[in-house]
Amino acid sequence: DFQLTQSPSSVSASVGDRVTITCRASQGISRWLAWYQQKPGKAPKLLIYSASSLQNGVPSRFSGSGSGTNFTLTITSLQPEDFATYYCQRANAFPMFTFGQGTRLEI
Amino acid sequence: QVQLVQSGAEVKKPGSSVKVSCKASGETLNNYAITWLRQAPGQGLEWLGRIVPFSDRKPDYAETFQGRVTVSADRSTSTVNMELSSLRPEDTAVYYCARSKGPADSIDDYWFDPWGQGTLVTVSS
Repeated sequence: DFQLTQSPSSVSASVGDRVTITCRASQGISRWLAWYQQKPGKAPKLLIYSASSLQNGVPSRFSGSGSGTNFTLTITSLQPEDFATYYCQRANAFPMFTFGQGTRLEI
Repeated sequence: QVQLVQSGAEVKKPGSSVKVSCKASGETLNNYAITWLRQAPGQGLEWLGRIVPFSDRKPDYAETFQGRVTVSADRSTSTVNMELSSLRPEDTAVYYCARSKGPADSIDDYWFDPWGQGTLVTVSS
């Protein structure tokens, strides 16, 4: 079965830090990967799609990279509003979409 | 800009069914898929199915939910509905609808934006 594995499962950081979250696919998915941010009690929000394209309105401190099986989400200069849970999503097995288990970013 | 507004929280008995609605405002749903996902308490996101409203295409469903989930669309109210039957306590979750970022079959058909606010469905005897 296909899996997306995120690491770490949680990370502690401070305002102003640079943070990198990794998503590893069990099979190659080219660049069919997105990243979402979810705050408690809220719906997820699309940040990055096609591995590295920034969604409209998302601050440029968010960036994505990778292809094949290894992907990263990087947040430079963390802001207080960035503390949330982040999910990666695979999209190359239309119409079935798989999410990673999430990475909690906390202070 | 489209906004998706979902129906309110539900409490259901095991074995019953629940219907959650997702109403679009600001833009029509024509040619954009609506996907249903859920998130159990403290857990990740799970895909249930999707529909391209008002098209000839049949909905697609996750294998896990085949036979239990039905997604439909109502043109007159710009609403997409998701019905889940034979409910079990483990179906307790927040259910979300989300529109595809781009039109059906475009390269942006596979990303989800925007999302509805979520609907908590609690299954308990």
